[in-house]
Amino acid sequence: DVKVTQSSRYLVKRTGEKVFLECVQDMDHENMFWYRQDPGLGLRLIYFSYDVKMKEKGDIPEGYSVSREKKERFSLILESASTNQTSMYLCASSNPTPRTGEDEKLFFGSGTQLSVL
Amino acid sequence: QKEVEQDPGPLSVPEGAIVSLNCTYSNSAFQYFMWYRQYSRKGPELLMYTYSSGNKEDGRFTAQVDKSSKYISLFIRDSQPSDSATYLCAMNEYGGSQGNLIFGKGTKLSVKP
Repeated sequence: DVKVTQSSRYLVKRTGEKVFLECVQDMDHENMFWYRQDPGLGLRLIYFSYDVKMKEKGDIPEGYSVSREKKERFSLILESASTNQTSMYLCASSNPTPRTGEDEKLFFGSGTQLSVL
Repeated sequence: QKEVEQDPGPLSVPEGAIVSLNCTYSNSAFQYFMWYRQYSRKGPELLMYTYSSGNKEDGRFTAQVDKSSKYISLFIRDSQPSDSATYLCAMNEYGGSQGNLIFGKGTKLSVKP
């Protein structure tokens, strides 16, 4: 059974702390993504990566950075956490086979609910 | 105007009802359309995937795309309490890489026994 695993289900941090959210996938996928999900705003893409050591900004990268040192692991970093970064964070992965429809689907982890106090 | 509009609900129906969920969009270049289902405290999972216009059926679920109206629908027949979830539409121009996937905000559905 394919799996995207996020290291923490719930996290509580203080403003100014450096926060690491970890995501691991066991499907040998090339693509990995970080989204945040907020009520009334839906899913918004923060960063994504198509290969090891590469990264692309999504729609809302400000205040975040990412690291992809190994193919299976994609980390989201909040350099100095702020209260407006309280959110549900979702990691996803996919494999870009050429135009195979459902094979390109995103596999999501169960999410990390982050509260910044 | 936002690229993808989706009524957030909540939508509450009795068991056995036919459910219709909808999204409208503004970008006429979109041609790959998806529906994701998200149970409470879980990540979304792909439910239906369609390319361009037309219908696609999978069991009790039917996805419809009307590109001329920029309107997509998901129908659930004989709805069950296990269908209670948030349904997210998603779409993009190119398929392939999912980095450009645009999501609706999701409709929360509750099916009452």
